[in-house]
Order: sequence, then structure tokens, then C-alpha cells
Amino acid sequence: AQKITQTQPGMFVQEKEAVTLDCTYDTSDPSYGLFWYKQPSSGEMIFLIYQGSYDQQNATEGRYSLNFQKARKSANLVISASQLGDSAMYFCAMREGEDSSYKLIFGSGTRLLVRP
Amino acid sequence: AAGVIQSPRHLIKEKRETATLKCYPIPRHDTVYWYQQGPGQDPQFLISFYEKMQSDKGSIPDRFSAQQFSDYHSELNMSSLELGDSALYFCASRGTRYNEQFFGPGTRLTVL
Repeated sequence: AQKITQTQPGMFVQEKEAVTLDCTYDTSDPSYGLFWYKQPSSGEMIFLIYQGSYDQQNATEGRYSLNFQKARKSANLVISASQLGDSAMYFCAMREGEDSSYKLIFGSGTRLLVRP
Repeated sequence: AAGVIQSPRHLIKEKRETATLKCYPIPRHDTVYWYQQGPGQDPQFLISFYEKMQSDKGSIPDRFSAQQFSDYHSELNMSSLELGDSALYFCASRGTRYNEQFFGPGTRLTVL
């Protein structure tokens, strides 16, 4: 079964508007972490934001915020005031457990295009 | 701030050849991960090292091997290359704030 599901293969947003990228996850582990990464066309993977399963508040990092709904197992990324440079592929990822590995499992990604 | 360094950035090989990819983690990061990202795909975990010992293994073919050295840099050795090995190979090192992973720029491997 898919552990991380991103149902939006592609999204458009007008410059300066906000956009929400969806992510649902599946785990039976009570301790897990959720990450969002941005991959521009140049290929590098850029860490954006993190939400821990025990965190009481939604994470925020500048224009990025995470709408974390634990009961629904969703961790949607909200980008406010979109900029042209936000056009990229966005991956949601999860790490499970408290072992020394912390490997990441990625979703299939959402390609965001910001229109001028 | 120092980032993860990967070399080479691009590599072209023929089928059945060998390749070695190198990764230099962010200073004081003791855990290194390798991921493979095929065209249009999400990154897939290959293998990880913690304090120079293998800590986890994913979908890494037997033709591939990796190790982490005393200076914490890591190398991914790939032998008997196949066309399907063409991909972007990322190395990442683990931070201490959220155990987040910082990725290098990747090595784009093309097998002809």
C-alpha cells in the first residue's frame, strides 16, 4: 500500500495567490515525521518544512505552512503569496520510527506552475 | 553554509561498466543516505550509513555496494551497469534539528 499519497500530479496558481498541495500518509507507528521538499528543474532537493507526529501546532517556515490533520492522516503544504520561483516539483515524505535510520519514503510529487 | 557535496555531477557510462559516486556530507553530520530517482519518479531509498556502519538497506541491487569512510564521506560503487540504472543519484546527510535530510545536488548517471 502507498505510504505517501499525493493526488495532484499538477497544479496551477496565479502569482501572489496562496496554494495548497495535498499529502496523505499511512502508518501505524505513533512516532513519525513528515517533510516537504522542493525540486526545481535544476534537480536539487530542497528541504522546506517539517512536522512531527507529536507536535501540537502546525509547522510554519516563512511563506510555507503545514496543515497537519493527524486524525485524517493528512499533511498539506500551504504556500502563501506564490512567486514565479515557486514553480517546481514538490514532494511530501515521511520517516517512521525512532531507529537510527530515519530513511524517507516519498510521494509521487506535485508539479506546481506559478502563472505571472 | 556548507552543503552536501557530490561528485561527479554528471557521468556517462556504457553497459557493463562500473561507476563510483562520491558524497561528502555536511560537516559534523554522521549519517548518510543514498537515493535513486528515475526519470519522472520519486526518490527511492537505497542504503544508509550511521557512524561508518550500514544502518539500513532499501531497494539496492546486489551489483551496487557502498561504504562510509572514517572522514564520513561515502561512496556508492555500481558494477555491471544496465540501461535501467540511468537516474539521478542523491546523497543526503542528516541534520540535528528535525533529523531532516539535506540533499546534495545529485549525480546524473546515463548508461548507454
